[in-house]
Amino acid sequence: DGGITQSPKYLFRKEGQNVTLSCEQNLNHDAMYWYRQDPGQGLRLIYYSQIVNDFQKGDIAEGYSVSREKKESFPLTVTSAQKNPTAFYLCASSRRESTGELFFGEGSRLTVL
Amino acid sequence: AQSVTQLDSHVSVSEGTPVLLRCNYSSSYSPSLFWYVQHPNKGLQLLLKYTSAATLVKGINGFEAEFKKSETSFHLTKPSAHMSDAAEYFCVVADLTGGGNKLTFGTGTQLKVEL
Repeated sequence: DGGITQSPKYLFRKEGQNVTLSCEQNLNHDAMYWYRQDPGQGLRLIYYSQIVNDFQKGDIAEGYSVSREKKESFPLTVTSAQKNPTAFYLCASSRRESTGELFFGEGSRLTVL
Repeated sequence: AQSVTQLDSHVSVSEGTPVLLRCNYSSSYSPSLFWYVQHPNKGLQLLLKYTSAATLVKGINGFEAEFKKSETSFHLTKPSAHMSDAAEYFCVVADLTGGGNKLTFGTGTQLKVEL
């Protein structure tokens, strides 16, 4: 089945460590996105990429980094510079056309100990 | 600039009774509006969308929403709630110009359905 796979589902990290969240899609979508979800705050855009080898900062990019070396993959690294990294992270993808329809993975929950 | 305000953070209904989830928007141009649903510990799924065609929009699972420009509202309704409707619902306004999908999410409404 076509879809978006995020891994790991749950992740624990000690303060000062970098961690990378994986996102893979087999929908042949050009655009991919990373959102952060905190209780009562909705979703906030971290980074997005509309084409391979290109990406742009979203609203809360500080302390995060991404790469887009392949169309299918858009990994997110949460660095030690992120002040409050404990959150639920959602990856999404969409067709190149602007329709507003995003397809989401099931998320990765990161907890910093 | 664009934004959405979801007027209720929590809504509780009995199974079989109507559902109303309220959303007001602000946009400097003709908006594209969406409702997404998120079941516990899952990703989001598109429920329905309005993109300047019919003002009454039908979505999946019996949900519908009406775009009211005079009230800047896009409320989500369902005639009869089912236990499986319990989830978090997000109202979203989108800027679809410039070749991108720039979505602005509301803070969400948690729907509880009781027997």
